[in-house]
Amino acid sequence: DAKTTQPNSMESNEEEPVHLPCNHSTISGTDYIHWYRQLPSQGPEYVIHGLTSNVNNRMASLAIAEDRKSSTLILHRATLRDAAVYYCILRDVPGKLIFGQGTTLQVKP
Amino acid sequence: NAGVTQTPKFRVLKTGQSMTLLCAQDMNHEYMYWYRQDPGMGLRLIHYSVGEGTTAKGEVPDGYNVSRLKKQNFLLGLESAAPSQTSVYFCASTRQSDSGYGYTFGSGTRLTVV
Repeated sequence: DAKTTQPNSMESNEEEPVHLPCNHSTISGTDYIHWYRQLPSQGPEYVIHGLTSNVNNRMASLAIAEDRKSSTLILHRATLRDAAVYYCILRDVPGKLIFGQGTTLQVKP
Repeated sequence: NAGVTQTPKFRVLKTGQSMTLLCAQDMNHEYMYWYRQDPGMGLRLIHYSVGEGTTAKGEVPDGYNVSRLKKQNFLLGLESAAPSQTSVYFCASTRQSDSGYGYTFGSGTRLTVV
């Protein structure tokens, strides 16, 4: 199963943009890049996913490197409610999501 | 739309007891998954199913069994509970197609084995 590498933690100030990086150098051509976040005592929540092109939705943007070996989740204006653990995951062909440790995002008021 | 519903939400078992966790989804999703999450850790895949009547092993399948007799339900069984199975269990589901769909997770079942 393909693996991802993320920083253990990051800090941001409220209302500023946040760029969460993820490395996935062993990604295969059919792996989709998924991002989820988990708030304390809750189940993971879908944020965004993509294959090759950059993606935008109401929650965030996903920037995918041209060689697909890295990606960046962009939160345009962080709020206190965005404090969570963010997971970057590769979905393989049978559809499994194999979680890593994720990045704990702290948002300062 | 209820999404993914897990029952029960909390349970305390004695070592050696058995129990079944139920996951139900109302989104007509083909794929369903069971994960466990230990304190301070990421989620680990236990078993998964790519369709009614099919199941497959994930990263940590030992001590668990699963069944998918109906498309909307995925059951996780513990035949003889052990303290090492104390964890929070999450169920998830998604469509077969990769295009345009994320995974929907339940709110979890917190299991304590004493």
